[in-house]
Parts: sequence; C-alpha cells; structure tokens
Amino acid sequence: AQSVTQLDSQVPVFEEAPVELRCNYSSSVSVYLFWYVQYPNQGLQLLLKYLSGSTLVKGINGFEAEFNKSQTSFHLRKPSVHISDTAEYFCAVSVRLLYNQGGKLIFGQGTELSVKP
Amino acid sequence: DVKVTQSSRYLVKRTGEKVFLECVQDMDHENMFWYRQDPGLGLRLIYFSYDVKMKEKGDIPEGYSVSREKKERFSLILESASTNQTSMYLCASSLGTGFNEKLFFGSGTQLSVL
Repeated sequence: AQSVTQLDSQVPVFEEAPVELRCNYSSSVSVYLFWYVQYPNQGLQLLLKYLSGSTLVKGINGFEAEFNKSQTSFHLRKPSVHISDTAEYFCAVSVRLLYNQGGKLIFGQGTELSVKP
Repeated sequence: DVKVTQSSRYLVKRTGEKVFLECVQDMDHENMFWYRQDPGLGLRLIYFSYDVKMKEKGDIPEGYSVSREKKERFSLILESASTNQTSMYLCASSLGTGFNEKLFFGSGTQLSVL
C-alpha cells in the first residue's frame, strides 16, 4: 500500500534563508507525487506535481522539488523564504481509482513552516 | 477558476446530534472527496464519490456516511456525532479523467462536538 512520511512536523527558519521540507513515500508501482500548501484559515492549493520526465519540478512561489526514485523521496526546497511562506505543507501520492481512472490522494502528516523576521 | 464551497466555516454540535456538512463545486467535476484534518495526522480520506449516487469508503469511514444526489453536491453525514469527530473537514473535487489530476479544496469546516 502507498504511504507518505513527512519527516519534520515543524520547521522554523529565518527570512531569506533556504529551506528544505522532506518527504518520503512507499509504493510498489509508479507514482504521481504532489506538494500542497495550506495558508492559515484556507483550504489546500497545489504547489507542484511530478508526473514523469525531469526529476526537478518547479512550482509556484519559487518552490521546487526533486524526485529521487532510488531514495523514494520528493523533498521540497526554496532558496530564499519570505514571511508570506509561513504555512503548512503537505506531500501526497496519487493512487489510481479503478473505476473511472481518476485518482485519490494519500497525504503525509504535514510540515508547519514558520518564517521569522 | 474552480470553486469548492463548504456551507459552514465553523459548526458546534452536541453529542448524539445528526450533522450534515455540505459541499458544492461549480466546474462539473466527476470526483468529490471528504477528508478530515487533525494535527500531526495530516489529511485522512473519509469517503469519495466518482459519479452521481456512487460512493466509496476511504480510509476512515466509520461513523460517517455520504450522499451525492447531484453531480455538484457532496454531503457528509455524521449520524450520531461524537466528541472524537471534532475536527477540520475538507471537501475536494477533481475532474476525474486521470489519476494525475489535481484536487481543488474548499476552505474547510471546523466542527466541534461537545
């Protein structure tokens, strides 16, 4: 069965510093991987996704993630964070639904990124 | 852009009450989902629906049921609310043409069961 583990529950960082949020997944089949962000009092929105091709994926707001098949990881990075990046970040793996070829997402536990001035 | 609307932002109910959480999407999406979000546990799938009147159990369906009478509306029902169902509930939808589709989320309903 597919599962997702986010290794850090909280990551405090100073403004303009680099950050890496770690995500590992387990799956016996090819996967699609996602990062979602949840700003305070809002629903989740998609940051980026890996489907195939280049292992380095660029998303919105300057974030990028690297798919590493041998290490089953999909870590999220940003070279310089802003106060406005303070949010909760969720890594997810997509599982195919057999009925109509749609999918459902299995989420990790979430990482709270706190950017301090 | 797709809009997923959850009818209530905050809800307070008493133990044993029947609770309805409503979700409406405006983009003719095939798939709809209900998740609950708890600190340290992330999002866990309760139920999903891939078509009108169709429903499938997710990972934690116990104590919940769902209804999808129209394509745009997906309701989550707590037949007899209990305190351990106090949580943030998130509704989501996706187009459904492939399992690489992104999900669109509502803003959530924070349910407190006293």
